[in-house]
Amino acid sequence: QVQLKESGPGLVQPSQTLSLTCTVSGLSLTSNSVSWIRQPPGKGLEWMGVIWSNGGTDYNSAIKSRLSISRDTSKSQVFLKMNSLQTEDTAMYFCASPYWYFDFWGPGTMVTVSS
Amino acid sequence: DIQMTQSPASLSASLGETVTIECRASEDIYSNLAWYQQKPGNSPQLLIYDANSLADGVPSRFSGSGSGTQYSLKINSLQSEDVASYFCQQYNNYHTFGAGTKLELK
Repeated sequence: QVQLKESGPGLVQPSQTLSLTCTVSGLSLTSNSVSWIRQPPGKGLEWMGVIWSNGGTDYNSAIKSRLSISRDTSKSQVFLKMNSLQTEDTAMYFCASPYWYFDFWGPGTMVTVSS
Repeated sequence: DIQMTQSPASLSASLGETVTIECRASEDIYSNLAWYQQKPGNSPQLLIYDANSLADGVPSRFSGSGSGTQYSLKINSLQSEDVASYFCQQYNNYHTFGAGTKLELK
């Protein structure tokens, strides 16, 4: 069955760069897109960006300048990098697939931005 | 960017009751709308896609309707396991989520 699982550092200092990994099984990255979505504590969901099956990317215009999504198809992994982190970036970060509506979600990884 | 206005923000209902949650888009999204249920500590689960199509394994007491800019999620005969937060999502132009509705038992 399809599984996605996020992993990351948990705690990041302000102004630093966040690096997250989404490991995918049961789903080919060359046939499916993967998005990153985040949710601040007690708040709503924000779509961050997508890596398409062809490796192209699209980003939320609000955070585009800070965000990069890439992948390693041989390891079935998708990566998120976001720089210049601030406290308002504290959130649960999810990866999800496919693109239009999200049938499959990872359990999420909590990221806290604090010194 | 398309804005999604979801209402109400919170809702209290009794077991067996019918509840309705609404989402309004800032422009026509041509039924490119999904609904999700999220229980505390869990990731969202897809309930409805294409405004009115039931996702696999979702009980038939859930239904979606609407067109243009106005959409709704209806839960018939509320069950205790339906206590959760609900979010709408447009996918006509990238993605935008509504702010969510927290459903509690009265």
